[in-house]
Amino acid sequence: DAKTTQPTSMDCAEGRAANLPCNHSTISGNEYVYWYRQIHSQGPQYIIHGLKNNETNEMASLIITEDRKSSTLILPHATLRDTAVYYCIAVNSGYSTLTFGKGTMLLVSP
Amino acid sequence: EPEVTQTPSHQVTQMGQEVILRCVPISNHLYFYWYRQILGQKVEFLVSFYNNEISEKSEIFDDQFSVERPDGSNFTLKIRSTKLEDSAMYFCASSVNSRWTEAFFGQGTRLTVV
Repeated sequence: DAKTTQPTSMDCAEGRAANLPCNHSTISGNEYVYWYRQIHSQGPQYIIHGLKNNETNEMASLIITEDRKSSTLILPHATLRDTAVYYCIAVNSGYSTLTFGKGTMLLVSP
Repeated sequence: EPEVTQTPSHQVTQMGQEVILRCVPISNHLYFYWYRQILGQKVEFLVSFYNNEISEKSEIFDDQFSVERPDGSNFTLKIRSTKLEDSAMYFCASSVNSRWTEAFFGQGTRLTVV
């Protein structure tokens, strides 16, 4: 699976949009970009995933660049409960193993 | 919302003892996984299980570890002879298929080996 690079930490004010970047310059054509998050001491939680097109669900939006070398997870109106570690993971559709990196620690402040 | 249930939430065991961590995956899910997270470190894959057999395992999952789905509902991780370095949070996950779209993780079991 392609390596992903994320900032170690980010801050966001409550109510504002949180934009979390991820670089995956070596991603291959059959690798999806998945985002998970882990709220302190809890199990990872699936957020969203995409291959080429931008995606949106009730939790977030995922913007993938045309060359697929980077993506951005957008939480449109961050709340205090969105404080968590966010993981960007490239997943080969043929494999079942999620490989977690260090992720981005997002701190949402009042 | 359906959830993966893990018991116990915290287990303390003496070094060298056997421990069994239990998980009840979501009922219609077919794929099952164990992950662990040592305090302050990354979430690490241990093993995946499908159709009553291991489909993939990591280097961490050595002969001291085993998994079982004894009764069609529970999914267990057994550590035969625990070591201090086995102290970690252990997460069970399940998914309908091998794609991770609908994978749900449990809240974890904190294992402390003393």
